[in-house]
Amino acid sequence: KNQVEQSPQSLIILEGKNCTLQCNYTVSPFSNLRWYKQDTGRGPVSLTIMTFSENTKSNGRYTATLDADTKQSSLHITASQLSDSASYICVAGSYIPTFGRGTSLIVHP
Amino acid sequence: DGGITQSPKYLFRKEGQNVTLSCEQNLNHDAMYWYRQDPGQGLRLIYYSQIVNDFQKGDIAEGYSVSREKKESFPLTVTSAQKNPTAFYLCASIPSLNTGELFFGEGSRLTVL
Repeated sequence: KNQVEQSPQSLIILEGKNCTLQCNYTVSPFSNLRWYKQDTGRGPVSLTIMTFSENTKSNGRYTATLDADTKQSSLHITASQLSDSASYICVAGSYIPTFGRGTSLIVHP
Repeated sequence: DGGITQSPKYLFRKEGQNVTLSCEQNLNHDAMYWYRQDPGQGLRLIYYSQIVNDFQKGDIAEGYSVSREKKESFPLTVTSAQKNPTAFYLCASIPSLNTGELFFGEGSRLTVL
């Protein structure tokens, strides 16, 4: 069964600090790995998308890494801002994407 | 601007009523999806459609129905057979299966009174 596991489930950090979110996946066939940001009550918005041949992808203060051998991905957020408070969802895609449960991030001033 | 429009944003339904959630996209995407999101759970696939006049059941299709008469539109009907319909529903589209970025609408929150 395809699965995507994310950790931690929730995270609280101070504004300006960095943080890293983890994603482990067991998906076959595997074509790409996506990270989304979802604000409460809104639809998810894409942050990064990586194919199995890519190791890292950046989008501003967000940097995603992918290790296709160990089937792990991480999302690093640099110099966090209050607006980063959201749920971050890892998605391992085939033609039917598999979603993780998300990491809830709270950034305090 | 190109995107996915879901309506209504909020919907209240009495038990025993069917309701239809609208999803329209002007991205010229072939594939469209409906997901259900409950607190603390990942998105679960209800139905998806790869092309017009064709759709497939996802993991939790019971109590739901869809149609795909036009490329731009993929409405979801929540029937009275769905035992626990209160949830946040998300529509998404992609250029074609297995390629490209998955775009989401803003979601529809359904509450059964």
